[in-house]
Amino acid sequence: GNSVTQMEGPVTLSEEAFLTINCTYTATGYPSLFWYVQYPGEGLQLLLKATKADDKGSNKGFEATYRKETTSFHLEKGSVQVSDSAVYFCALGLSNFGNEKLTFGTGTRLTIIP
Amino acid sequence: NAGVTQTPKFQVLKTGQSMTLQCAQDMNHEYMSWYRQDPGMGLRLIHYSVGAGITDQGEVPNGYNVSRSTTEDFPLRLLSAAPSQTSVYFCASSSFPADTQYFGPGTRLTVL
Repeated sequence: GNSVTQMEGPVTLSEEAFLTINCTYTATGYPSLFWYVQYPGEGLQLLLKATKADDKGSNKGFEATYRKETTSFHLEKGSVQVSDSAVYFCALGLSNFGNEKLTFGTGTRLTIIP
Repeated sequence: NAGVTQTPKFQVLKTGQSMTLQCAQDMNHEYMSWYRQDPGMGLRLIHYSVGAGITDQGEVPNGYNVSRSTTEDFPLRLLSAAPSQTSVYFCASSSFPADTQYFGPGTRLTVL
């Protein structure tokens, strides 16, 4: 079946540090890949997405590249801020008939300290 | 656009009580879904719907019922609440199942 494995947390970084949160996936077919972010007390919101191999999604300084050869979609940011503290979820979506749902990873809690 | 709205925000139930969590969206999305979020478990799909009159089970459907009489609304019913149903519940909608999903703010449910 389809699955998403993402880096276990929690992750704690200092402000302006470089961030990587790893995400790998298993899927039959050609999924779309997503990163969602959940700020404290809120629902999830889309951070970025990529729909085909070699696409790069980007938003708010975050980037992730869809790597088919390594089945990965790692999230990166060059210089994190305190406001980036949140839980980050990697997800995949397949549009194959009969298997049309999003599959989420377990989430990675990120804390940025000033 | 209000997006996806959920009510109530918080609820406390006693074991055996029933209740309905409300979800509505104003984006004319065909696909709607309910998830529960538990610590260390990520999001697990409870039920989903690909359009009015069509619903199906997700990963953890036991103890929950849904119906979809309109495109806008997708209520989740707890038939006989159990402490294991203590969780945060999120409703989401999208144009189609594998597309970007828009989430509501969540309902925090405690079953005593």
